[in-house]
Amino acid sequence: GAGVSQSPRYKVAKRGQDVALRCDPISGHVSLFWYQQALGQGPEFLTYFQNEAQLDKSGLPSDRFFAERPEGSVSTLKIQRTQQEDSAVYLCASSLEEPIHTQYFGPGTRLTVL
Amino acid sequence: KNQVEQSPQSLIILEGKNCTLQCNYTVSPFSNLRWYKQDTGRGPVSLTIMTFSENTKSNGRYTATLDADTKQSSLHITASQLSDSASYICVVSSMDTGRRALTFGSGTRLQVQP
Repeated sequence: GAGVSQSPRYKVAKRGQDVALRCDPISGHVSLFWYQQALGQGPEFLTYFQNEAQLDKSGLPSDRFFAERPEGSVSTLKIQRTQQEDSAVYLCASSLEEPIHTQYFGPGTRLTVL
Repeated sequence: KNQVEQSPQSLIILEGKNCTLQCNYTVSPFSNLRWYKQDTGRGPVSLTIMTFSENTKSNGRYTATLDADTKQSSLHITASQLSDSASYICVVSSMDTGRRALTFGSGTRLQVQP
């Protein structure tokens, strides 16, 4: 496919469970971003990769959140010991190269923690 | 603290009418300003990107303006269609000592009625 894909689209986890969210960016895109979007709010920045390097992780809310992009393409956002406040849509976006190029967003993964 | 404020929070208009959405920001140093359209349950889609030197940019029936002096932007939608019903998000990018940051507004939820 030509766009950014994310999986799973929906995830229900019990509190305390670990989850892993996957992002497949557009082929050739250097930059990859993760965002967290609460209901009725704009996305909040979590972390940013340029190729395999994680250049900015200042938006990760706690040390339970971890992201990786080991080969500079697919990225995984892992949340350990999930809490109810982690319930949100997690969006992934990629772009050719920041700062000026358009970001293309995936459909998001809706995480619900019970 | 970098902030992006959007108004109105929500808006209902009749099909065929025009509307204007507002975005005020306090982001420094400024790199560019983007408008995104986000349909329910989908990732945001880029409409326009404007740098400091650009005052206006159009994409079909969407026209964005930027006043970098007053730190204000607007998105004007002409001859609205039912498919314009979505959230419109203003995003301001800054570049600070090599660390790029995106600040998202909470969005304006537009509903176009027949």
